[in-house]
Amino acid sequence: DAGITQSPRHKVTETGTPVTLRCHQTENHRYMYWYRQDPGHGLRLIHYSYGVKDTDKGEVSDGYSVSRSKTEDFLLTLESATSSQTSVYFCAIQGDRYTGELFFGEGSRLTVL
Amino acid sequence: AQSVTQLGSHVSVSEGALVLLRCNYSSSVPPYLFWYVQYPNQGLQLLLKYTSAATLVKGINGFEAEFKKSETSFHLTKPSAHMSDAAEYFCAVRPNTGNQFYFGTGTSLTVIP
Repeated sequence: DAGITQSPRHKVTETGTPVTLRCHQTENHRYMYWYRQDPGHGLRLIHYSYGVKDTDKGEVSDGYSVSRSKTEDFLLTLESATSSQTSVYFCAIQGDRYTGELFFGEGSRLTVL
Repeated sequence: AQSVTQLGSHVSVSEGALVLLRCNYSSSVPPYLFWYVQYPNQGLQLLLKYTSAATLVKGINGFEAEFKKSETSFHLTKPSAHMSDAAEYFCAVRPNTGNQFYFGTGTSLTVIP
């Protein structure tokens, strides 16, 4: 158990509303990631963080922002949700910095109507 | 950017038969390589990883993978499929520099009784 909790696990919202997904870790790892999973696309990186207040964009960052004010929490915000952002979102933390694999949360399923 | 190719989005095998899931990466320098498994409505779990030690890597649940530099491949195998192996499998790479992980589009494995 990598100690990763995502909330909410399921959310249905309407187009144009803001949405925030939370990722909480108990392992004190430096690197945290947000991915989205869509059929036929595998997992695509949205944003990642390499420390408190240190974040960077991934390959599909448009329409998303992130914040990390504490080591244990990494928030993903959709400022104005669109139907194309309907997806399953996974948070991950990296274990060992040099060779370490990612440990994943259980996912947050977001539906934008 | 790195790319990861998983040949065959769907693979079906009979119970007891060999499982072979293919993964090729694009990199002139061998990266770190990973295989993950995802069961329905769950996050991804690490099966095994290659970190420049032995080229034949053994993982959990009887899976193994062989790193072949000349072929830029990291195919996943299991000698005898079990019903419980039915899942989605993802190959991932992390370049030697940086901390971004790149995932393939996944292969769905069906095991036929």
